[in-house]
Amino acid sequence: EIVLTQSPDFQSVTPKEKVTITCRASQSVGYTLHWYQQKPDQSPKLLIKYASQSFSGVPSRFSGSGSGTDFTLTINSLEAEDAATYYCHQSSSLPRTFGQGTKVEIK
Amino acid sequence: EVQLLESGGGLVQPGGSLRLSCAASGFTFSTYAMSWVRQAPGKGLEWVSAISGGVGNTYYADSVKGRFTISRDNSKNTLYLQMNSLRPEDTAVYYCAKDLTTYEDWGQGTLVTVSS
Repeated sequence: EIVLTQSPDFQSVTPKEKVTITCRASQSVGYTLHWYQQKPDQSPKLLIKYASQSFSGVPSRFSGSGSGTDFTLTINSLEAEDAATYYCHQSSSLPRTFGQGTKVEIK
Repeated sequence: EVQLLESGGGLVQPGGSLRLSCAASGFTFSTYAMSWVRQAPGKGLEWVSAISGGVGNTYYADSVKGRFTISRDNSKNTLYLQMNSLRPEDTAVYYCAKDLTTYEDWGQGTLVTVSS
Protein backbone atom coordinates (compact mmCIF):
# COMPACT_ATOMS: atom_id res chain seq x y z
CA GLU A 1 0.00 0.00 0.00
CA ILE A 2 1.27 3.46 -0.90
CA VAL A 3 1.26 5.79 2.09
CA LEU A 4 0.73 9.49 1.43
CA THR A 5 1.99 11.90 4.08
CA GLN A 6 0.87 15.52 3.97
CA SER A 7 2.45 18.46 5.71
CA PRO A 8 1.52 20.46 7.58
CA ASP A 9 -1.53 18.97 9.28
CA PHE A 10 -2.88 22.43 10.05
CA GLN A 11 -2.17 25.90 8.79
CA SER A 12 -3.62 29.23 9.93
CA VAL A 13 -3.24 31.79 7.17
CA THR A 14 -4.06 35.45 6.55
CA PRO A 15 -6.13 36.32 3.46
CA LYS A 16 -4.00 37.07 0.36
CA GLU A 17 -1.17 34.99 1.79
CA LYS A 18 0.32 32.11 -0.20
CA VAL A 19 -0.33 28.56 1.03
CA THR A 20 1.86 25.56 0.25
CA ILE A 21 0.86 22.01 1.13
CA THR A 22 3.12 19.08 0.42
CA CYS A 23 2.32 15.42 -0.14
CA ARG A 24 5.00 12.75 -0.02
CA ALA A 25 4.40 9.23 -1.31
CA SER A 26 6.09 6.16 0.16
CA GLN A 27 6.95 5.06 -3.37
CA SER A 28 6.76 6.63 -6.79
CA VAL A 29 3.29 7.32 -8.13
CA GLY A 30 4.51 9.02 -11.29
CA TYR A 31 2.03 11.79 -12.04
CA THR A 32 -1.03 9.95 -10.72
CA LEU A 33 -1.49 12.27 -7.75
CA HIS A 34 -4.65 14.34 -7.30
CA TRP A 35 -5.81 17.03 -4.87
CA TYR A 36 -9.25 17.56 -3.32
CA GLN A 37 -10.83 20.27 -1.23
CA GLN A 38 -13.43 19.48 1.39
CA LYS A 39 -15.40 22.10 3.28
CA PRO A 40 -17.33 21.23 6.45
CA ASP A 41 -20.41 19.10 5.81
CA GLN A 42 -19.71 18.95 2.09
CA SER A 43 -18.45 16.27 -0.26
CA PRO A 44 -14.85 16.53 -1.46
CA LYS A 45 -14.23 18.41 -4.70
CA LEU A 46 -11.47 17.75 -7.20
CA LEU A 47 -9.04 20.64 -7.59
CA ILE A 48 -6.00 19.26 -9.40
CA LYS A 49 -5.59 15.99 -11.30
CA TYR A 50 -2.43 14.24 -12.45
CA ALA A 51 -0.21 16.44 -10.30
CA SER A 52 -0.65 19.70 -12.19
CA GLN A 53 -3.80 19.70 -14.32
CA SER A 54 -6.42 22.11 -13.05
CA PHE A 55 -9.92 20.68 -12.97
CA SER A 56 -12.66 22.53 -14.80
CA GLY A 57 -14.04 25.52 -12.93
CA VAL A 58 -11.32 25.62 -10.27
CA PRO A 59 -9.96 29.13 -9.62
CA SER A 60 -6.56 29.82 -11.13
CA ARG A 61 -5.04 30.56 -7.71
CA PHE A 62 -4.90 26.78 -7.15
CA SER A 63 -1.97 24.99 -8.76
CA GLY A 64 -0.12 21.73 -8.37
CA SER A 65 3.34 20.47 -9.11
CA GLY A 66 5.61 17.50 -8.60
CA SER A 67 6.17 13.96 -9.75
CA GLY A 68 7.39 10.66 -8.40
CA THR A 69 7.19 10.95 -4.61
CA ASP A 70 7.00 14.67 -3.89
CA PHE A 71 4.08 16.91 -4.72
CA THR A 72 2.88 20.39 -3.84
CA LEU A 73 -0.46 22.14 -3.83
CA THR A 74 -0.17 25.92 -3.90
CA ILE A 75 -2.91 28.43 -3.22
CA ASN A 76 -1.84 31.88 -4.37
CA SER A 77 -3.50 34.79 -2.62
CA LEU A 78 -5.72 32.86 -0.23
CA GLU A 79 -9.36 33.88 -0.04
CA ALA A 80 -11.76 33.40 2.87
CA GLU A 81 -13.72 30.80 0.89
CA ASP A 82 -10.61 28.60 0.73
CA ALA A 83 -10.97 27.60 4.38
CA ALA A 84 -11.18 23.83 4.08
CA THR A 85 -9.33 20.55 4.46
CA TYR A 86 -7.18 19.50 1.52
CA TYR A 87 -6.36 15.90 0.63
CA CYS A 88 -3.95 14.32 -1.81
CA HIS A 89 -4.85 10.99 -3.40
CA GLN A 90 -2.97 8.49 -5.54
CA SER A 91 -4.34 6.36 -8.35
CA SER A 92 -1.07 4.64 -9.24
CA SER A 93 -2.00 1.38 -7.58
CA LEU A 94 -4.61 -0.41 -5.50
CA PRO A 95 -5.61 0.14 -2.83
CA ARG A 96 -6.20 3.78 -3.60
CA THR A 97 -4.99 5.92 -0.73
CA PHE A 98 -5.41 9.45 0.56
CA GLY A 99 -3.21 11.69 2.61
CA GLN A 100 -4.34 12.43 6.15
CA GLY A 101 -5.50 15.91 5.18
CA THR A 102 -4.34 19.47 5.78
CA LYS A 103 -6.74 21.85 7.43
CA VAL A 104 -6.41 25.46 6.31
CA GLU A 105 -7.90 28.06 8.63
CA ILE A 106 -8.32 31.73 7.86
CA LYS A 107 -6.87 34.07 10.49
CA GLU B 1 -24.90 17.17 -15.35
CA VAL B 2 -23.62 14.19 -13.38
CA GLN B 3 -25.67 13.34 -10.31
CA LEU B 4 -24.91 10.68 -7.72
CA LEU B 5 -27.44 10.06 -4.97
CA GLU B 6 -26.62 7.68 -2.14
CA SER B 7 -29.20 6.07 0.09
CA GLY B 8 -29.55 3.22 2.55
CA GLY B 9 -27.54 4.48 5.49
CA GLY B 10 -28.74 4.27 9.06
CA LEU B 11 -28.16 2.84 12.51
CA VAL B 12 -27.25 -0.84 12.72
CA GLN B 13 -25.99 -3.05 15.53
CA PRO B 14 -22.53 -4.58 15.46
CA GLY B 15 -22.62 -7.75 13.38
CA GLY B 16 -25.54 -6.48 11.34
CA SER B 17 -25.92 -5.78 7.64
CA LEU B 18 -26.83 -2.84 5.47
CA ARG B 19 -27.02 -2.23 1.72
CA LEU B 20 -26.13 1.15 0.31
CA SER B 21 -27.29 2.34 -3.09
CA CYS B 22 -26.00 5.07 -5.37
CA ALA B 23 -28.33 6.20 -8.15
CA ALA B 24 -26.42 7.74 -11.04
CA SER B 25 -27.54 10.02 -13.85
CA GLY B 26 -26.09 12.41 -16.40
CA PHE B 27 -23.52 10.03 -17.91
CA THR B 28 -23.28 6.59 -19.51
CA PHE B 29 -23.16 4.65 -16.26
CA SER B 30 -22.28 1.25 -17.71
CA THR B 31 -19.02 2.46 -19.22
CA TYR B 32 -17.56 3.96 -16.05
CA ALA B 33 -15.87 2.41 -13.05
CA MET B 34 -17.45 3.45 -9.77
CA SER B 35 -16.04 3.70 -6.28
CA TRP B 36 -17.04 3.92 -2.62
CA VAL B 37 -15.06 6.19 -0.29
CA ARG B 38 -15.85 6.63 3.40
CA GLN B 39 -15.10 9.17 6.08
CA ALA B 40 -15.36 8.39 9.76
CA PRO B 41 -16.60 11.26 11.96
CA GLY B 42 -13.89 13.92 12.21
CA LYS B 43 -11.44 11.79 10.22
CA GLY B 44 -9.97 11.69 6.73
CA LEU B 45 -11.01 9.96 3.53
CA GLU B 46 -10.63 6.19 3.12
CA TRP B 47 -11.08 4.31 -0.15
CA VAL B 48 -13.35 1.30 0.39
CA SER B 49 -14.10 -0.45 -2.89
CA ALA B 50 -14.44 -0.06 -6.64
CA ILE B 51 -15.98 -1.84 -9.58
CA SER B 52 -14.94 -1.50 -13.20
CA GLY B 53 -17.26 -0.70 -16.04
CA GLY B 54 -17.99 -3.43 -18.53
CA VAL B 55 -17.19 -6.82 -16.97
CA GLY B 56 -17.38 -5.42 -13.46
CA ASN B 57 -14.09 -6.42 -11.88
CA THR B 58 -14.18 -5.66 -8.16
CA TYR B 59 -11.58 -4.27 -5.77
CA TYR B 60 -11.59 -3.89 -1.98
CA ALA B 61 -9.64 -2.33 0.85
CA ASP B 62 -8.21 -4.92 3.22
CA SER B 63 -10.32 -3.45 6.03
CA VAL B 64 -13.56 -4.55 4.33
CA LYS B 65 -12.49 -7.53 2.23
CA GLY B 66 -14.69 -10.55 2.90
CA ARG B 67 -17.37 -8.43 4.59
CA PHE B 68 -18.42 -5.92 1.92
CA THR B 69 -19.55 -6.64 -1.64
CA ILE B 70 -19.72 -4.02 -4.37
CA SER B 71 -22.03 -4.55 -7.34
CA ARG B 72 -23.83 -2.61 -10.02
CA ASP B 73 -27.03 -2.82 -12.03
CA ASN B 74 -26.39 -1.08 -15.31
CA SER B 75 -30.08 -1.38 -16.31
CA LYS B 76 -30.96 0.74 -13.27
CA ASN B 77 -27.87 2.99 -13.34
CA THR B 78 -27.28 2.03 -9.73
CA LEU B 79 -24.23 1.11 -7.69
CA TYR B 80 -24.51 -0.95 -4.51
CA LEU B 81 -22.46 -1.75 -1.45
CA GLN B 82 -23.61 -4.73 0.60
CA MET B 83 -22.09 -4.45 4.05
CA ASN B 84 -22.13 -7.50 6.34
CA SER B 85 -20.60 -8.22 9.74
CA LEU B 86 -20.52 -4.51 10.47
CA ARG B 87 -18.18 -3.19 13.15
CA PRO B 88 -18.19 0.05 15.12
CA GLU B 89 -15.13 1.15 13.13
CA ASP B 90 -17.26 1.02 9.95
CA THR B 91 -19.18 4.05 11.23
CA ALA B 92 -18.72 6.72 8.58
CA VAL B 93 -20.27 8.78 5.84
CA TYR B 94 -20.12 6.67 2.69
CA TYR B 95 -19.67 8.48 -0.62
CA CYS B 96 -20.00 7.04 -4.07
CA ALA B 97 -17.72 8.55 -6.68
CA LYS B 98 -17.50 8.25 -10.43
CA ASP B 99 -14.45 6.47 -11.81
CA LEU B 100 -11.49 4.68 -10.26
CA THR B 101 -8.72 7.19 -10.87
CA THR B 102 -9.73 10.82 -10.41
CA TYR B 103 -12.97 11.41 -8.57
CA GLU B 104 -14.47 14.26 -10.54
CA ASP B 105 -17.97 13.64 -9.22
CA TRP B 106 -19.12 12.66 -5.74
CA GLY B 107 -22.46 12.01 -4.13
CA GLN B 108 -23.59 13.83 -1.02
CA GLY B 109 -22.90 10.80 1.17
CA THR B 110 -24.98 8.58 3.43
CA LEU B 111 -24.22 8.07 7.12
CA VAL B 112 -23.78 4.58 8.51
CA THR B 113 -23.66 4.24 12.28
CA VAL B 114 -22.72 0.92 13.82
CA SER B 115 -23.60 0.92 17.49
CA SER B 116 -25.50 -1.07 20.08
